[in-house]
Amino acid sequence: DTGVSQDPRHKITKRGQNVTFRCDPISEHNRLYWYRQTLGQGPEFLTYFQNEAQLEKSRLLSDRFSAERPKGSFSTLEIQRTEQGDSAMYLCASSSVGQTQYFGPGTRLLVL
Amino acid sequence: AQKVTQAQTEISVVEKEDVTLDCVYETRDTTYYLFWYKQPPSGELVFLIRRNSFDEQNEISGRYSWNFQKSTSSFNFTITASQVVDSAVYFCALSEIWGAQKLVFGQGTRLTINP
Repeated sequence: DTGVSQDPRHKITKRGQNVTFRCDPISEHNRLYWYRQTLGQGPEFLTYFQNEAQLEKSRLLSDRFSAERPKGSFSTLEIQRTEQGDSAMYLCASSSVGQTQYFGPGTRLLVL
Repeated sequence: AQKVTQAQTEISVVEKEDVTLDCVYETRDTTYYLFWYKQPPSGELVFLIRRNSFDEQNEISGRYSWNFQKSTSSFNFTITASQVVDSAVYFCALSEIWGAQKLVFGQGTRLTINP
């Protein structure tokens, strides 16, 4: 069984550009979570899906951020008009309902 | 609101020493989950343990042990006979048992094991 995968692993972009990250969860997991981790801090919750439905969004998720999970499988997180403050590690996790979340390797974003 | 505090920002010990990582949490929920995750330099969070709030039995897994004390809202993690491979950032986390079950993390403790 493969774990959670994320693509790309690293992304460098210029301020104002749009970026999109992808997460592929463990196949039998129906929940998928996005977290953001800045340097020296613990991860912070952004949003989560149960199957294809986005059930909760953190107030950290500004209107420049959008996430989708079409067909309840992989998920994408898009950041529009990136700002330097968006530089962080973006982590994806998946689980079955009520079970432990398992994390992917993360995508490191650097906005210049 | 839920909160997790890991007061130790960095710990450095010599190999084979025992080391304890502290975790204190706050929640208004009567039932909840507590977790420890390890984050090596590669960046991926590795799951170590999950405990239910109604199960206060301590747990041992090899060189790792966890001490859960509801009376002091603490969930401490001890590594016995530490090894260089234990060097990583360790995170304590808390979640509700129902609903979104989103994880609330502490700030992490950077553990360095010196040979």
